[in-house]
Order: sequence, then structure tokens, then C-alpha cells
Amino acid sequence: EDKVVQSPLSLVVHEGDTVTLNCSYEVTNFRSLLWYKQEKKAPTFLFMLTSSGIEKKSGRLSSILDKKELFSILNITATQTGDSAVYLCAVPPVGTYKYIFGTGTRLKVLA
Amino acid sequence: GAGVSQSPSNKVTEKGKDVELRCDPISGHTALYWYRQSLGQGLEFLIYFQGNSAPDKSGLPSDRFSAERTGGSVSTLTIQRTQQEDSAVYLCASSLKTRSEETQYFGPGTRLLVL
Repeated sequence: EDKVVQSPLSLVVHEGDTVTLNCSYEVTNFRSLLWYKQEKKAPTFLFMLTSSGIEKKSGRLSSILDKKELFSILNITATQTGDSAVYLCAVPPVGTYKYIFGTGTRLKVLA
Repeated sequence: GAGVSQSPSNKVTEKGKDVELRCDPISGHTALYWYRQSLGQGLEFLIYFQGNSAPDKSGLPSDRFSAERTGGSVSTLTIQRTQQEDSAVYLCASSLKTRSEETQYFGPGTRLLVL
């Protein structure tokens, strides 16, 4: 059965800390992995990763995919209170539009 | 509009009543998805529409759930005879194409509480 597992489930840090969120997957016919940030209700798109070892970066956020070990990490440096959210990882198996979502990592950044 | 919109944003209903949730996708997006997110859980796929094709209803949890999409745009998710376990956030997403890796853009969701 295809599955996506995220860790940790929750994390509390102080402003300025660096965090690493993990997403591992077991999906047949893998093509891509997506990261979303969910602050209140609507998940907003962060990154889509398709190639192993190539880092995607946007400001303080970066992500990389390891297709051999079947995982991705999302790094946030110099965290701010506005980074507090649930971070979701999703994998759409090839040939289907049914994204498989992990349960997310709830990040809380304290001032 | 600029993004996916959903209404109502919150809905409280009594057990046994019917509810209708609305989704207005991004203009031009042919694919539309409904998800359910229960407290502390990931997103659960419910139903998928693509243009005029028959929808994929394989994620609907019971026959109390139905959805339609009129004119290839607005979609309505209907839950009949609501139960307390239906309480969740219902999220709608749309994408430009049908390819599985196409980015989905989510609406703000409808938080449903069944008393």
C-alpha cells in the first residue's frame, strides 16, 4: 500500500532556530514529491521535487529529495513566528491524480 | 477569481441534516478535487472532476456523500443525513491539467461541525 510518513509529528522551536522536517515515502511509480504549508485551512504550495539531489530554495526554505533512500527533507533556517504552520508532504503516484498526503508536521515557532 | 474560493467557511449543523459545500475553482482550471481533513490527520481524497469526463468518486466514504460540477466550473459537495464523524475540514483544490504532478491549488476550506 502506498504511504507517506512525516516526522516529527510536532515541533516547538524558538525564533532563529533551524529546523529540518522529514518525509519518507513508499509509492509505486514515483514521479514527484510536493511540500505544502498549511497555516489555517488552505495548504499553500512550497516546492515540487522530481530529481534526486537537486536542492530547491526559496528564501529561508529549502528542500531536497533522495530517490534512492525514498525521502525528502524541508529545511527552514532562521525561523520566524510566521513559519508556524503544519507542513504537508504529498506524493502523486504516476498515472493517478490522487495525491497521497502525510499527516503533516506541526511547527510552532516561539518569539 | 484570483484563487480557489469555498463557502461557507464554517458550518454547524445537527446530526441528520443535509449540508451543501461549494467550491469555485481558479478560472481555466479543468481539474477539481475534494479532500477531507479530520483533526490531526492528513488530507483524504474524496472525488475528482476533469472537464466533462465522469468523475472519480472512489474516495467518497459512503453513499451519503455526493458531488457535482456544473458547467465545468463550480462544484458542490453534498452530505446527506450528516453524522458526527463527518465533522472535518473539507478542502477543494483545482489544477490546470490532469497530469498527476500538476500542482494543486487549495481553497480555504469549509469547517463542518456536526452536533
